Amino acid sequence: AQKITQTQPGMFVQEKEAVTLDCTYDTSDQSYGLFWYKQPSSGEMIFLIYQGSYDEQNATEGRYSLNFQKARKSANLVISASQLGDSAMYFCAMRGHNFNKFYFGSGTKLNVKP
Amino acid sequence: DVKVTQSSRYLVKRTGEKVFLECVQDMDHENMFWYRQDPGLGLRLIYFSYDVKMKEKGDIPEGYSVSREKKERFSLILESASTNQTSMYLCASSSGGTGSNEQFFGPGTRLTVL
Repeated sequence: AQKITQTQPGMFVQEKEAVTLDCTYDTSDQSYGLFWYKQPSSGEMIFLIYQGSYDEQNATEGRYSLNFQKARKSANLVISASQLGDSAMYFCAMRGHNFNKFYFGSGTKLNVKP
Repeated sequence: DVKVTQSSRYLVKRTGEKVFLECVQDMDHENMFWYRQDPGLGLRLIYFSYDVKMKEKGDIPEGYSVSREKKERFSLILESASTNQTSMYLCASSSGGTGSNEQFFGPGTRLTVL
């Protein structure tokens, strides 16, 4: 069975500091993709970053990087130099062998303190 | 600018009413999805469609049905709304295949069933 686990319901971080949001996944598929989305209080879902299971290098997009540890089945999101606008809900998701279907974690609510 | 639109941002219905939620995408995507989002539970897949007139049940299809008569439009139907269907409903679309084919989300419909 495919499953995504986010164990941090809520987190605080000081502005300008880095923060790591945890994500572990469970799959028996050899080929899969891992995604992170941001959901501000306005409700829209914003795609942040993608990591393919065969990608050897960790994905990076601006201040976002994905710490991919395949053997541990973890795909943690690292946000560097946090900004007040980073305060939002963050969801980790996986797309497995059935390329049409995505699986989402329960989310982590990040609060950035000034 | 690519877009997924949903027919309503907010909707209030009465128990037993038939409710239609409409979703339209302009990206010519094969795949379309309906999720419901509840606090602490993340996004749960209700139904998805990988082609016109094709549909598959997600994790929580009970009480819902869907229709996809045209590629760009995917409708979610609550045959007889109940109070436990009060939730945020998110529509998404994605292209088929592997790679970083992320899901694009609509703005969501917050449905209240009284």
